[in-house]
Order: sequence, then structure tokens, then C-alpha cells
Amino acid sequence: EVQLLESGGGLVQPGGSLRLSCAASGFTFSMYTMSWVRQAPGKGLEWVSIINSGGDSTYYADSVKGRFTISRDNSKNTLYVQMNSLRAEDTAVYYCATDLGNSGWLPHWFYWGQGTLVTVSS
Amino acid sequence: EIVLTQSPGPLSLSPGERATLSCRASQSLSTNYLAWYQQKPGQAPRLLIYGASNRAAGIPDRFSGSGSGTDFTLTISRLEPEDFAVYYCQQYGSSPPIYTFGQGTKLEIK
Repeated sequence: EVQLLESGGGLVQPGGSLRLSCAASGFTFSMYTMSWVRQAPGKGLEWVSIINSGGDSTYYADSVKGRFTISRDNSKNTLYVQMNSLRAEDTAVYYCATDLGNSGWLPHWFYWGQGTLVTVSS
Repeated sequence: EIVLTQSPGPLSLSPGERATLSCRASQSLSTNYLAWYQQKPGQAPRLLIYGASNRAAGIPDRFSGSGSGTDFTLTISRLEPEDFAVYYCQQYGSSPPIYTFGQGTKLEIK
């Protein structure tokens, strides 16, 4: 059974940093791209970032470019996002997501974690 | 950047009725990389439809997707009580990869 389990969320002050993790199991993690998608309270979904299977190709939404860094440790089956210079508008539930349809860039996501809440507030 | 606009706003229907949700893209999606998700309160999104018209694994056949170019539709043929939720469309653009969601349509019980 595929499982994605996010952790690391919490309350952080504006300008602060936080690192989220997503522990994956039930599939060969090193073979698939992974993404982060977020949802502000009461709002819609927003794609944040994606990383390829090997970890050497990454892309970001304009809203987080230069502040967030996605990475992965295939030996630990874990996805990360390092979030720096956090703003109030980064407050959201952050989901990790993937699909096992192919090993390239994914056009959609079948598997989602349960999400972890990040609150940026003083 | 492609913008997805969903309509109608909140949609109020009764169980047993047919629901038709629309997603319009600001530019043509030449590869039909259009997906639909269902989200219930406190839950992660659930993939319903991918490639505009393909049902994801485990999705009941009362859900169907159609459309091409700039106009896409999610149809729920006969609403069940568990279908009342928020629905999002999502598109994928390659080179570089970029993903956009519509603003969502809330399907509520009348």
C-alpha cells in the first residue's frame, strides 16, 4: 500500500524557516517524481514544487521561487521542502503527492499524503 | 500562464440529480492534460479523472469527464450523498513542468 506521511509543520514567525518532510512507503521511491501542493485555509489548491526521481531537476511556482528548496533522499525514501523567508501568505496545509503511472514528469497525482499545517504568524 | 476558470459557483442539487461542472482554460490544452479532483473537508484531494476523460482507479462510473481544447466538463450522472464536496480541475504544462488548478466548485446538497 502506497503511503505518504508529511511532518514538520507548525507555527513560525514571518521571515523564519521550516523544513517539511514526506516519508514514502509502499513503492520504489527512487523511481518517481514527487511534488508539493499546498492549500491555504478555506482556499483552493496551489502547486508548489516538483523534483525528478534522481533529485537533480527541480521546478517551482513563481510564488515560492528563490525561497523554497525541494530535495529528496532516496536512501531514506523521504521528500523534503526547505522553506525560508516565510510570509503570512505561505500559511497552508502542505501535501506531498505523486503518481506511479510513469517515471517522468507527472501530469496529475493519484497518491496524496494527509498534509501538514504551516502557520506563519507573529 | 494558463488560467483555469471553473463554473458554476456553488452548485446546489439533490441526490439522484445529474451534476455538470465546467472548467475553461485561457489557452488551448493541446495535450488534454486535464484532471479533476474531489476534496472533502479535512481530507486530501482525490483524483477522479485524468487526461480529460479517463477515470482513475476505483472511481465509480457515474463520474465522467469530457472536453478538449479550452472547454472541459465533469459530469456526475446520478448524485450520491457522498458526492457533495468541492471539485477542482487541474492542468499540466510541460517544458518546464507547471501545474495550475481551477478555483474549485462546491457541490452542495439542495
